[in-house]
Amino acid sequence: GAGVSQSPSNKVTEKGKDVELRCDPISGHTALYWYRQSLGQGLEFLIYFQGNSAPDKSGLPSDRFSAERTGGSVSTLTIQRTQQEDSAVYLCASTGRLTTYEQYFGPGTRLTVT
Amino acid sequence: QKEVEQDPGPLSVPEGAIVSLNCTYSNSAFQYFMWYRQYSRKGPELLMYTYSSGNKEDGRFTAQVDKSSKYISLFIRDSQPSDSATYLCAMSVDTGRRALTFGSGTRLQVQP
Repeated sequence: GAGVSQSPSNKVTEKGKDVELRCDPISGHTALYWYRQSLGQGLEFLIYFQGNSAPDKSGLPSDRFSAERTGGSVSTLTIQRTQQEDSAVYLCASTGRLTTYEQYFGPGTRLTVT
Repeated sequence: QKEVEQDPGPLSVPEGAIVSLNCTYSNSAFQYFMWYRQYSRKGPELLMYTYSSGNKEDGRFTAQVDKSSKYISLFIRDSQPSDSATYLCAMSVDTGRRALTFGSGTRLQVQP
């Protein structure tokens, strides 16, 4: 079946602009994660959604970052007033409620802030 | 100090060699241990997961977890050029959000 999809695959934006990144999880997966992969930093957790529960936002690096998940499916990560240090690959992963250790990743969105 | 340490490599081996990749960790609460493979400009692909200590084998891949030493390994037998990628170890606790904590990745190059 279809895997996790993300769009856009690449995004170049000017410093100070807002960006929206989209994630379509695997159908039927209730849990959705956002991670960020930076050079020299590896993959770091940003935010977690599980079904209709309140999201776990403990990994968001600043209040410029926010995310929502509509209808328990598609998720959007928004970065406001982008900074150069926001340049990274943003990865989305989804998994079933009882198998959260088996996280399946999308191809990522490569964000470059100029 | 990072919770998960992984030698970044690069590791270069000839085709057919046995490859050993390793991670150490400091959080004794980790219970799930995963290995992901990531090709250039692609998302990580789950290879194997292990719960708690022990070994798990899947084809040419064997994962080992030694919780007493806080040390995990991935062995690749009969390595192929197509195995050339970055290998990421990842771990999670067994409760809560179970977000993955990743190592920095080891870049592997298998020479034909």
